[in-house]
Amino acid sequence: QKEVEQDPGPLSVPEGAIVSLNCTYSNSAFQYFMWYRQYSRKGPELLMYTYSSGNKEDGRFTAQVDKSSKYISLFIRDSQPSDSATYLCAMTNAGNMLTFGGGTRLMVKP
Amino acid sequence: GAVVSQHPSRVICKSGTSVKIECRSLDFQATTMFWYRQFPKKSLMLMATSNEGSKATYEQGVEKDKFLINHASLTLSTLTVTSAHPEDSSFYICSAPGQGRNEQYFGPGTRLTVT
Repeated sequence: QKEVEQDPGPLSVPEGAIVSLNCTYSNSAFQYFMWYRQYSRKGPELLMYTYSSGNKEDGRFTAQVDKSSKYISLFIRDSQPSDSATYLCAMTNAGNMLTFGGGTRLMVKP
Repeated sequence: GAVVSQHPSRVICKSGTSVKIECRSLDFQATTMFWYRQFPKKSLMLMATSNEGSKATYEQGVEKDKFLINHASLTLSTLTVTSAHPEDSSFYICSAPGQGRNEQYFGPGTRLTVT
Protein backbone atom coordinates (compact mmCIF):
# COMPACT_ATOMS: atom_id res chain seq x y z
CA GLN A 1 0.00 0.00 0.00
CA LYS A 2 1.31 3.42 -0.96
CA GLU A 3 1.77 5.96 1.80
CA VAL A 4 -0.38 8.48 -0.07
CA GLU A 5 -3.15 7.38 -2.42
CA GLN A 6 -4.61 9.63 -5.09
CA ASP A 7 -6.96 8.70 -7.92
CA PRO A 8 -5.05 9.30 -11.18
CA GLY A 9 -8.16 10.24 -13.15
CA PRO A 10 -8.53 11.66 -15.67
CA LEU A 11 -11.37 13.67 -14.22
CA SER A 12 -13.36 15.49 -16.87
CA VAL A 13 -15.84 18.21 -15.90
CA PRO A 14 -17.69 20.99 -17.73
CA GLU A 15 -16.66 24.59 -17.25
CA GLY A 16 -18.24 26.11 -14.14
CA ALA A 17 -18.48 22.81 -12.24
CA ILE A 18 -17.26 22.29 -8.71
CA VAL A 19 -14.28 19.96 -8.68
CA SER A 20 -13.37 17.73 -5.75
CA LEU A 21 -9.90 16.21 -5.59
CA ASN A 22 -8.90 13.88 -2.78
CA CYS A 23 -6.02 12.04 -1.19
CA THR A 24 -5.87 9.47 1.57
CA TYR A 25 -2.80 8.68 3.58
CA SER A 26 -1.63 6.13 6.11
CA ASN A 27 1.04 7.95 8.15
CA SER A 28 -0.63 9.64 11.12
CA ALA A 29 2.54 11.68 11.72
CA PHE A 30 1.86 13.91 8.69
CA GLN A 31 0.94 17.40 9.85
CA TYR A 32 1.58 19.69 6.90
CA PHE A 33 -0.45 19.28 3.74
CA MET A 34 -0.02 20.83 0.34
CA TRP A 35 -1.71 20.88 -3.03
CA TYR A 36 0.30 21.55 -6.16
CA ARG A 37 -0.87 22.22 -9.69
CA GLN A 38 1.34 21.04 -12.52
CA TYR A 39 0.84 21.97 -16.12
CA SER A 40 2.35 19.75 -18.77
CA ARG A 41 6.13 20.08 -19.00
CA LYS A 42 6.25 22.58 -16.12
CA GLY A 43 7.29 22.42 -12.50
CA PRO A 44 4.62 22.03 -9.79
CA GLU A 45 3.10 25.26 -8.46
CA LEU A 46 2.12 25.48 -4.80
CA LEU A 47 -1.63 26.18 -4.55
CA MET A 48 -2.54 25.55 -0.94
CA TYR A 49 -0.62 24.87 2.26
CA THR A 50 -2.35 23.84 5.47
CA TYR A 51 -1.31 22.72 8.88
CA SER A 52 -3.22 20.02 10.78
CA SER A 53 -6.97 19.63 10.44
CA GLY A 54 -9.37 22.25 9.17
CA ASN A 55 -10.27 24.28 6.13
CA LYS A 56 -8.43 26.95 4.19
CA GLU A 57 -9.87 29.06 1.41
CA ASP A 58 -8.06 31.06 -1.24
CA GLY A 59 -10.21 32.47 -4.01
CA ARG A 60 -11.85 29.60 -5.88
CA PHE A 61 -9.81 27.02 -4.02
CA THR A 62 -10.64 25.39 -0.67
CA ALA A 63 -8.42 22.86 1.03
CA GLN A 64 -9.77 20.54 3.72
CA VAL A 65 -7.84 18.30 6.05
CA ASP A 66 -9.42 15.60 8.20
CA LYS A 67 -6.63 14.03 10.18
CA SER A 68 -8.98 11.67 12.01
CA SER A 69 -9.89 10.07 8.69
CA LYS A 70 -6.46 10.65 7.11
CA TYR A 71 -8.19 12.35 4.21
CA ILE A 72 -7.51 15.64 2.46
CA SER A 73 -9.46 17.40 -0.25
CA LEU A 74 -9.10 20.28 -2.67
CA PHE A 75 -12.25 21.92 -4.00
CA ILE A 76 -12.24 24.16 -7.04
CA ARG A 77 -15.31 26.34 -7.54
CA ASP A 78 -16.41 27.72 -10.91
CA SER A 79 -13.80 25.61 -12.69
CA GLN A 80 -12.19 27.10 -15.80
CA PRO A 81 -10.46 25.47 -18.77
CA SER A 82 -7.23 27.02 -17.45
CA ASP A 83 -7.60 24.79 -14.38
CA SER A 84 -6.90 21.78 -16.60
CA ALA A 85 -3.71 20.31 -15.17
CA THR A 86 -2.43 17.56 -12.92
CA TYR A 87 -3.03 18.16 -9.22
CA LEU A 88 -0.61 16.64 -6.74
CA CYS A 89 -1.20 16.33 -3.03
CA ALA A 90 1.87 16.31 -0.79
CA MET A 91 2.46 16.04 2.92
CA THR A 92 5.19 15.99 5.52
CA ASN A 93 5.77 15.58 9.22
CA ALA A 94 8.03 18.64 9.48
CA GLY A 95 11.12 17.01 8.06
CA ASN A 96 11.05 19.00 4.81
CA MET A 97 10.93 15.81 2.75
CA LEU A 98 7.56 15.63 1.03
CA THR A 99 5.56 12.50 0.30
CA PHE A 100 3.49 12.92 -2.86
CA GLY A 101 0.34 11.38 -4.17
CA GLY A 102 0.46 10.12 -7.73
CA GLY A 103 -1.45 13.10 -9.08
CA THR A 104 -4.93 13.51 -10.55
CA ARG A 105 -5.29 14.75 -14.09
CA LEU A 106 -8.15 17.25 -14.40
CA MET A 107 -9.73 18.36 -17.66
CA VAL A 108 -12.21 21.23 -17.66
CA LYS A 109 -14.10 21.38 -20.92
CA PRO A 110 -15.47 24.70 -22.26
CA GLY B 1 5.52 32.77 -2.94
CA ALA B 2 9.22 32.08 -3.23
CA VAL B 3 10.77 31.79 -6.69
CA VAL B 4 13.04 28.97 -7.79
CA SER B 5 14.67 29.00 -11.21
CA GLN B 6 16.33 26.27 -13.21
CA HIS B 7 18.73 26.43 -16.12
CA PRO B 8 18.63 25.19 -18.78
CA SER B 9 14.95 24.54 -19.34
CA ARG B 10 15.74 22.04 -22.06
CA VAL B 11 18.93 20.28 -23.11
CA ILE B 12 19.80 17.68 -25.71
CA CYS B 13 23.12 15.90 -25.40
CA LYS B 14 24.90 12.96 -26.91
CA SER B 15 25.34 9.69 -25.08
CA GLY B 16 28.50 9.67 -22.97
CA THR B 17 28.63 13.38 -22.32
CA SER B 18 27.90 15.19 -19.05
CA VAL B 19 25.19 17.75 -18.43
CA LYS B 20 24.94 20.28 -15.61
CA ILE B 21 21.60 21.60 -14.39
CA GLU B 22 21.44 24.64 -12.11
CA CYS B 23 18.81 25.36 -9.48
CA ARG B 24 18.64 28.81 -7.89
CA SER B 25 16.50 30.29 -5.16
CA LEU B 26 15.97 33.84 -6.41
CA ASP B 27 14.61 35.75 -3.44
CA PHE B 28 15.47 33.60 -0.46
CA GLN B 29 18.24 31.44 0.90
CA ALA B 30 18.03 27.67 0.99
CA THR B 31 20.42 25.52 3.00
CA THR B 32 18.58 22.51 1.61
CA MET B 33 17.31 21.83 -1.89
CA PHE B 34 15.75 18.74 -3.38
CA TRP B 35 16.21 17.11 -6.76
CA TYR B 36 13.41 15.11 -8.35
CA ARG B 37 12.99 13.12 -11.51
CA GLN B 38 9.64 12.79 -13.24
CA PHE B 39 8.68 10.37 -15.99
CA PRO B 40 5.76 11.15 -18.32
CA LYS B 41 2.40 11.04 -16.55
CA LYS B 42 4.06 9.95 -13.31
CA SER B 43 4.55 11.65 -9.99
CA LEU B 44 7.83 13.10 -8.78
CA MET B 45 10.54 10.75 -7.59
CA LEU B 46 12.94 12.19 -5.04
CA MET B 47 16.54 11.59 -6.11
CA ALA B 48 18.55 13.41 -3.48
CA THR B 49 18.67 16.13 -0.87
CA SER B 50 21.26 18.80 -1.52
CA ASN B 51 22.85 20.30 1.61
CA GLU B 52 24.81 23.55 1.58
CA GLY B 53 28.28 22.95 2.94
CA SER B 54 28.03 19.18 3.14
CA LYS B 55 27.47 16.10 1.03
CA ALA B 56 24.18 15.40 -0.62
CA THR B 57 21.94 12.65 0.68
CA TYR B 58 20.86 10.23 -2.03
CA GLU B 59 17.74 8.11 -2.10
CA GLN B 60 18.03 4.37 -2.38
CA GLY B 61 18.78 3.25 -5.92
CA VAL B 62 20.17 6.60 -7.08
CA GLU B 63 23.79 6.39 -8.19
CA LYS B 64 25.73 9.16 -6.49
CA ASP B 65 28.64 8.86 -8.93
CA LYS B 66 26.31 9.33 -11.86
CA PHE B 67 24.22 12.17 -10.46
CA LEU B 68 26.68 14.58 -8.88
CA ILE B 69 25.17 17.24 -6.65
CA ASN B 70 26.95 20.34 -5.44
CA HIS B 71 25.32 22.93 -3.19
CA ALA B 72 27.78 25.72 -3.87
CA SER B 73 26.03 28.54 -2.01
CA LEU B 74 22.85 29.36 -0.11
CA THR B 75 21.09 30.08 -3.40
CA LEU B 76 22.57 27.57 -5.83
CA SER B 77 22.54 23.80 -6.20
CA THR B 78 23.73 21.94 -9.29
CA LEU B 79 22.98 18.47 -10.58
CA THR B 80 25.45 16.99 -13.04
CA VAL B 81 24.41 13.93 -14.99
CA THR B 82 27.69 12.25 -15.87
CA SER B 83 28.23 9.95 -18.84
CA ALA B 84 24.61 10.35 -19.81
CA HIS B 85 22.73 7.53 -21.49
CA PRO B 86 19.37 7.55 -23.27
CA GLU B 87 17.70 6.04 -20.19
CA ASP B 88 18.67 9.19 -18.27
CA SER B 89 16.32 11.18 -20.50
CA SER B 90 13.72 12.64 -18.19
CA PHE B 91 12.27 15.76 -16.61
CA TYR B 92 14.42 16.93 -13.69
CA ILE B 93 12.93 19.32 -11.14
CA CYS B 94 14.45 20.97 -8.09
CA SER B 95 12.71 22.45 -5.07
CA ALA B 96 13.57 24.48 -2.00
CA PRO B 97 11.75 24.86 1.32
CA GLY B 98 9.95 28.12 1.98
CA GLN B 99 10.29 30.24 5.08
CA GLY B 100 7.85 28.03 6.93
CA ARG B 101 10.31 25.18 6.30
CA ASN B 102 7.60 22.69 5.50
CA GLU B 103 6.23 23.87 2.18
CA GLN B 104 8.39 23.55 -0.92
CA TYR B 105 8.67 25.70 -4.02
CA PHE B 106 9.59 24.05 -7.27
CA GLY B 107 11.63 25.18 -10.21
CA PRO B 108 10.19 25.05 -13.72
CA GLY B 109 12.05 21.85 -14.52
CA THR B 110 14.69 20.80 -17.04
CA ARG B 111 13.90 18.41 -19.84
CA LEU B 112 16.94 16.29 -20.64
CA THR B 113 17.10 14.28 -23.84
CA VAL B 114 20.09 12.01 -24.40
CA THR B 115 20.56 10.84 -27.98
